[in-house]
Amino acid sequence: GNSVTQMEGPVTLSEEAFLTINCTYTATGYPSLFWYVQYPGEGLQLLLKATKADDKGSNKGFEATYRKETTSFHLEKGSVQVSDSAVYFCALSGLSGGSYIPTFGRGTSLIVHP
Amino acid sequence: DAGVTQSPTHLIKTRGQQVTLRCSPKSGHDTVSWYQQALGQGPQFIFQYYEEEERQRGNFPDRFSGHQFPNYSSELNVNALLLGDSALYLCASNMGGSNQPQHFGDGTRLSIL
Repeated sequence: GNSVTQMEGPVTLSEEAFLTINCTYTATGYPSLFWYVQYPGEGLQLLLKATKADDKGSNKGFEATYRKETTSFHLEKGSVQVSDSAVYFCALSGLSGGSYIPTFGRGTSLIVHP
Repeated sequence: DAGVTQSPTHLIKTRGQQVTLRCSPKSGHDTVSWYQQALGQGPQFIFQYYEEEERQRGNFPDRFSGHQFPNYSSELNVNALLLGDSALYLCASNMGGSNQPQHFGDGTRLSIL
């Protein structure tokens, strides 16, 4: 079946540091890939997406590139802010039994200190 | 434009009881999915409803059941509650069960005593 593996957290950084959160996946066919962010007490919000190989999703300074050859979709940001502190989930949406069912990773907590 | 709304926000039940959680999808969406998110974990897919029918189901027992109404809103019912059912229950919606991103509600926090 489909699966998503994310790096273990928490990731602790100082403000303006470079961020990478690794994500790899296993899926049949050609899934769409997503990063979601969850702030305390809230549901998940879509951060960015990519629907085919070599696509780059970007939003709010975050970027991720769909790498089919390495089955990866690593999240990066050049300069993090305290307000980026949250839990980040990598997810894929692939065909299962005729419909698209999302599969989520376990999440990576990011803590940014001033 | 209202997003996905869930009710109630918090709920406390005891073992063996039954619970019903409610979800209204984002305007224009016709597909509703339910997830269970345990503390420190990612969301686990419970089931998806489209055209008032359960289209797909994850690895959850029959104690978990649902319903979708003609206005696309949905309910999640859990019978014979166990301590392990304590979690955040998330509802998400999108169009036609496609691979487009899902829009999530803020969830219902269910605590079992």
